[in-house]
Amino acid sequence: GAGVSQTPSNKVTEKGKYVELRCDPISGHTALYWYRQSLGQGPEFLIYFQGTGAADDSGLPNDRFFAVRPEGSVSTLKIQRTERGDSAVYLCASSRTGGRDEQFFGPGTRLTVL
Amino acid sequence: TQLLEQSPQFLSIQEGENLTVYCNSSSVFSSLQWYRQEPGEGPVLLVTVVTGGEVKKLKRLTFQFGDARKDSSLHITAAQTGDTGLYLCAGAVDSGTYKYIFGTGTRLKVLA
Repeated sequence: GAGVSQTPSNKVTEKGKYVELRCDPISGHTALYWYRQSLGQGPEFLIYFQGTGAADDSGLPNDRFFAVRPEGSVSTLKIQRTERGDSAVYLCASSRTGGRDEQFFGPGTRLTVL
Repeated sequence: TQLLEQSPQFLSIQEGENLTVYCNSSSVFSSLQWYRQEPGEGPVLLVTVVTGGEVKKLKRLTFQFGDARKDSSLHITAAQTGDTGLYLCAGAVDSGTYKYIFGTGTRLKVLA
Protein backbone atom coordinates (compact mmCIF):
# COMPACT_ATOMS: atom_id res chain seq x y z
CA GLY A 1 0.00 0.00 0.00
CA ALA A 2 0.93 3.65 -0.15
CA GLY A 3 3.28 5.12 2.36
CA VAL A 4 2.89 8.30 4.42
CA SER A 5 2.27 11.30 2.22
CA GLN A 6 2.64 14.98 3.08
CA THR A 7 1.46 18.08 1.31
CA PRO A 8 2.68 20.48 0.23
CA SER A 9 6.24 19.31 -0.33
CA ASN A 10 7.43 22.91 -0.13
CA LYS A 11 5.84 25.95 1.42
CA VAL A 12 7.21 29.47 1.33
CA THR A 13 5.46 32.07 3.44
CA GLU A 14 6.06 35.47 4.93
CA LYS A 15 6.70 36.20 8.57
CA GLY A 16 3.44 36.57 10.44
CA LYS A 17 1.35 34.42 8.10
CA TYR A 18 -0.62 31.29 9.00
CA VAL A 19 0.25 27.92 7.44
CA GLU A 20 -1.25 24.44 7.42
CA LEU A 21 0.72 21.29 6.71
CA ARG A 22 -1.09 18.06 5.92
CA CYS A 23 -0.20 14.44 6.64
CA ASP A 24 -1.88 11.32 5.23
CA PRO A 25 -0.73 8.32 7.27
CA ILE A 26 -0.60 4.72 6.15
CA SER A 27 -4.14 3.35 6.05
CA GLY A 28 -5.09 1.62 9.29
CA HIS A 29 -2.30 3.15 11.37
CA THR A 30 -3.74 4.52 14.59
CA ALA A 31 -0.63 6.35 15.77
CA LEU A 32 0.61 9.52 14.09
CA TYR A 33 3.59 11.71 14.94
CA TRP A 34 4.86 15.10 13.90
CA TYR A 35 8.56 16.00 14.00
CA ARG A 36 10.53 19.07 13.04
CA GLN A 37 13.97 18.75 11.44
CA SER A 38 16.06 21.88 11.32
CA LEU A 39 19.02 22.14 8.98
CA GLY A 40 21.87 19.92 10.10
CA GLN A 41 19.87 18.38 12.93
CA GLY A 42 17.99 15.20 13.61
CA PRO A 43 14.19 15.18 13.85
CA GLU A 44 12.71 16.69 17.00
CA PHE A 45 9.46 15.28 18.40
CA LEU A 46 6.49 17.65 18.36
CA ILE A 47 3.27 15.72 19.00
CA TYR A 48 1.81 12.21 19.06
CA PHE A 49 -1.77 11.25 18.21
CA GLN A 50 -3.43 8.01 19.17
CA GLY A 51 -6.60 7.94 17.11
CA THR A 52 -8.24 11.34 17.19
CA GLY A 53 -6.66 12.55 20.41
CA ALA A 54 -3.31 14.15 21.06
CA ALA A 55 -1.74 11.74 23.54
CA ASP A 56 1.40 13.83 23.96
CA ASP A 57 1.91 17.40 22.73
CA SER A 58 4.90 18.10 24.96
CA GLY A 59 7.17 18.83 21.99
CA LEU A 60 5.15 21.71 20.57
CA PRO A 61 7.44 24.73 21.02
CA ASN A 62 4.76 27.28 21.91
CA ASP A 63 1.07 28.08 21.52
CA ARG A 64 1.51 29.19 17.91
CA PHE A 65 1.69 25.51 16.99
CA PHE A 66 -1.20 23.10 17.17
CA ALA A 67 -2.30 20.00 15.35
CA VAL A 68 -5.54 18.14 14.77
CA ARG A 69 -6.61 14.71 13.60
CA PRO A 70 -10.43 14.95 13.64
CA GLU A 71 -11.27 11.57 12.10
CA GLY A 72 -8.27 9.59 13.28
CA SER A 73 -6.61 9.52 9.89
CA VAL A 74 -5.40 12.71 8.17
CA SER A 75 -3.66 15.22 10.41
CA THR A 76 -2.98 18.92 9.96
CA LEU A 77 -0.22 20.84 11.69
CA LYS A 78 -1.13 24.51 11.99
CA ILE A 79 1.32 27.31 12.67
CA GLN A 80 0.07 30.80 13.46
CA ARG A 81 2.05 34.03 13.13
CA THR A 82 5.00 32.25 11.56
CA GLU A 83 8.51 33.35 12.46
CA ARG A 84 11.77 32.91 10.55
CA GLY A 85 12.89 30.42 13.18
CA ASP A 86 10.01 28.14 12.19
CA SER A 87 11.80 27.38 8.93
CA ALA A 88 12.52 23.65 8.87
CA VAL A 89 11.37 20.37 7.38
CA TYR A 90 8.25 19.11 9.12
CA LEU A 91 8.06 15.33 9.09
CA CYS A 92 5.06 13.17 9.76
CA ALA A 93 5.24 9.50 10.72
CA SER A 94 2.68 6.83 11.46
CA SER A 95 2.81 3.46 13.15
CA ARG A 96 0.36 0.59 13.40
CA THR A 97 -0.62 0.97 17.04
CA GLY A 98 1.97 3.22 18.68
CA GLY A 99 4.33 2.21 21.46
CA ARG A 100 7.41 0.53 20.06
CA ASP A 101 5.89 -0.18 16.64
CA GLU A 102 8.08 0.93 13.75
CA GLN A 103 7.40 4.50 12.69
CA PHE A 104 7.14 5.09 8.94
CA PHE A 105 8.06 8.60 7.89
CA GLY A 106 6.71 10.73 5.10
CA PRO A 107 8.97 12.83 2.84
CA GLY A 108 8.30 15.98 4.83
CA THR A 109 7.20 19.52 4.07
CA ARG A 110 9.97 22.07 3.75
CA LEU A 111 8.71 25.30 5.30
CA THR A 112 10.55 28.53 4.57
CA VAL A 113 9.52 31.68 6.39
CA LEU A 114 10.85 34.83 4.75
CA THR B 1 18.08 16.74 28.92
CA GLN B 2 19.00 13.58 27.07
CA LEU B 3 21.30 14.19 24.12
CA LEU B 4 22.73 11.91 21.50
CA GLU B 5 25.94 13.01 19.83
CA GLN B 6 27.03 11.44 16.60
CA SER B 7 30.50 11.38 15.13
CA PRO B 8 31.82 12.10 12.70
CA GLN B 9 29.41 14.73 11.41
CA PHE B 10 30.61 14.26 7.85
CA LEU B 11 32.42 11.40 6.18
CA SER B 12 33.54 11.07 2.58
CA ILE B 13 35.12 7.79 1.55
CA GLN B 14 35.91 5.74 -1.54
CA GLU B 15 33.78 2.82 -2.58
CA GLY B 16 35.08 -0.40 -1.00
CA GLU B 17 36.37 1.20 2.20
CA ASN B 18 35.11 0.35 5.68
CA LEU B 19 33.77 2.91 8.13
CA THR B 20 32.35 3.24 11.62
CA VAL B 21 29.88 5.82 12.85
CA TYR B 22 29.37 6.48 16.55
CA CYS B 23 26.40 7.54 18.65
CA ASN B 24 27.12 8.57 22.24
CA SER B 25 25.19 9.80 25.24
CA SER B 26 25.60 10.23 28.96
CA SER B 27 22.06 8.89 29.38
CA VAL B 28 20.83 5.32 29.37
CA PHE B 29 18.31 4.37 26.70
CA SER B 30 15.95 1.42 26.81
CA SER B 31 16.51 0.84 23.10
CA LEU B 32 18.25 2.53 20.23
CA GLN B 33 17.43 2.75 16.55
CA TRP B 34 19.44 3.57 13.45
CA TYR B 35 17.87 5.26 10.44
CA ARG B 36 19.11 6.28 7.01
CA GLN B 37 17.69 9.41 5.42
CA GLU B 38 18.16 10.43 1.79
CA PRO B 39 17.65 13.97 0.48
CA GLY B 40 13.98 14.88 0.18
CA GLU B 41 12.88 11.75 2.03
CA GLY B 42 11.98 10.85 5.58
CA PRO B 43 14.22 8.60 7.71
CA VAL B 44 13.93 4.86 7.09
CA LEU B 45 14.46 2.48 9.99
CA LEU B 46 17.46 0.15 9.61
CA VAL B 47 17.56 -1.60 12.96
CA THR B 48 16.49 -1.51 16.61
CA VAL B 49 18.82 -2.73 19.35
CA VAL B 50 17.42 -3.39 22.79
CA THR B 51 19.87 -5.35 24.95
CA GLY B 52 23.19 -3.98 26.22
CA GLY B 53 26.02 -5.51 24.17
CA GLU B 54 23.66 -6.60 21.42
CA VAL B 55 25.09 -6.91 17.91
CA LYS B 56 22.88 -7.01 14.83
CA LYS B 57 23.90 -7.46 11.23
CA LEU B 58 22.08 -6.27 8.15
CA LYS B 59 24.07 -7.41 5.10
CA ARG B 60 27.22 -5.24 5.16
CA LEU B 61 26.03 -3.17 8.14
CA THR B 62 26.85 -4.17 11.72
CA PHE B 63 25.16 -2.41 14.63
CA GLN B 64 26.25 -2.65 18.25
CA PHE B 65 24.58 -1.37 21.40
CA GLY B 66 26.98 -0.53 24.22
CA ASP B 67 26.99 -2.69 27.34
CA ALA B 68 25.70 0.21 29.43
CA ARG B 69 23.10 1.15 26.77
CA LYS B 70 24.52 4.66 26.48
CA ASP B 71 26.21 4.35 23.11
CA SER B 72 26.06 2.55 19.81
CA SER B 73 28.07 2.10 16.66
CA LEU B 74 27.33 1.36 13.04
CA HIS B 75 30.03 -0.31 10.98
CA ILE B 76 29.77 -0.56 7.20
CA THR B 77 31.99 -3.03 5.38
CA ALA B 78 33.00 -2.41 1.76
CA ALA B 79 30.90 0.73 1.36
CA GLN B 80 28.94 1.21 -1.84
CA THR B 81 27.67 4.41 -3.47
CA GLY B 82 24.16 3.34 -2.50
CA ASP B 83 25.14 3.70 1.17
CA THR B 84 25.34 7.47 0.71
CA GLY B 85 22.96 9.30 3.02
CA LEU B 86 22.36 10.76 6.47
CA TYR B 87 22.62 8.20 9.25
CA LEU B 88 20.64 8.99 12.38
CA CYS B 89 20.56 7.24 15.72
CA ALA B 90 17.55 7.60 17.98
CA GLY B 91 17.22 6.56 21.61
CA ALA B 92 13.99 5.55 23.29
CA VAL B 93 13.27 7.57 26.41
CA ASP B 94 11.79 4.57 28.19
CA SER B 95 10.66 1.07 27.38
CA GLY B 96 7.48 0.82 25.38
CA THR B 97 7.81 4.43 24.36
CA TYR B 98 6.95 6.08 21.09
CA LYS B 99 9.18 9.04 21.94
CA TYR B 100 12.69 8.98 20.52
CA ILE B 101 15.55 11.42 20.95
CA PHE B 102 17.37 11.74 17.65
CA GLY B 103 21.07 12.40 17.22
CA THR B 104 22.39 15.12 14.94
CA GLY B 105 23.35 12.63 12.25
CA THR B 106 26.37 11.57 10.23
CA ARG B 107 26.33 12.57 6.59
CA LEU B 108 28.08 9.86 4.58
CA LYS B 109 29.18 10.23 0.98
CA VAL B 110 30.61 7.21 -0.81
CA LEU B 111 32.53 8.07 -3.95
CA ALA B 112 32.76 5.76 -6.95
